Amino acid sequence: AQSVTQLGSHVSVSEGALVLLRCNYSSSVPPYLFWYVQYPNQGLQLLLKYTSAATLVKGINGFEAEFKKSETSFHLTKPSAHMSDAAEYFCAVSDYSSYKLIFGSGTRLLVRP
Amino acid sequence: DAGITQSPRHKVTETGTPVTLRCHQTENHRYMYWYRQDPGHGLRLIHYSYGVKDTDKGEVSDGYSVSRSKTEDFLLTLESATSSQTSVYFCATGQGTAPNSPLHFGNGTRLTVT
Repeated sequence: AQSVTQLGSHVSVSEGALVLLRCNYSSSVPPYLFWYVQYPNQGLQLLLKYTSAATLVKGINGFEAEFKKSETSFHLTKPSAHMSDAAEYFCAVSDYSSYKLIFGSGTRLLVRP
Repeated sequence: DAGITQSPRHKVTETGTPVTLRCHQTENHRYMYWYRQDPGHGLRLIHYSYGVKDTDKGEVSDGYSVSRSKTEDFLLTLESATSSQTSVYFCATGQGTAPNSPLHFGNGTRLTVT
């Protein structure tokens, strides 16, 4: 069965600092991987997705993620945090045989002035 | 996003009463999903639909049923609400052209069962 583990329920960074949100997945077949962002009182929005075309995936708002098969990881990064990045971030996994998306438990990003 | 409307946005109900949440989409997406969001658990799939009258269970389907009689509407029913079903419920849709098609989410329904 597929699963996703997000390390750290809360991550706090200073404005301008590097953002690193960790995601590890478990899948017996090549996965499709996603990062979604949720702002307060809203639904989730797609940040980026990995579909095997390239291991480094660029998304919206300056975020990117690198697929590392050997580490079964798909960590999300942004070189310089902005106050507007404060939100909850979810990693999710699917595969070629399923249209179901399995989510991690989420990481809340706090950005300090 | 993707023209997804959830109703009601907020609801308070008593234990033991039936509750129906509605999801309406205007994008003609084939796939529709109901998730619940709880602190520490992320989003967990309740039920999903891959076409009109075609539905299947997710990982937390006990106590819930769904129906989809039209492409645009996907209903979630709590047959007899319990306090453990207090949660935020999200509807999502997917175009379904490939498993890697992104999902589009509604703004959620906050349900409180007293």
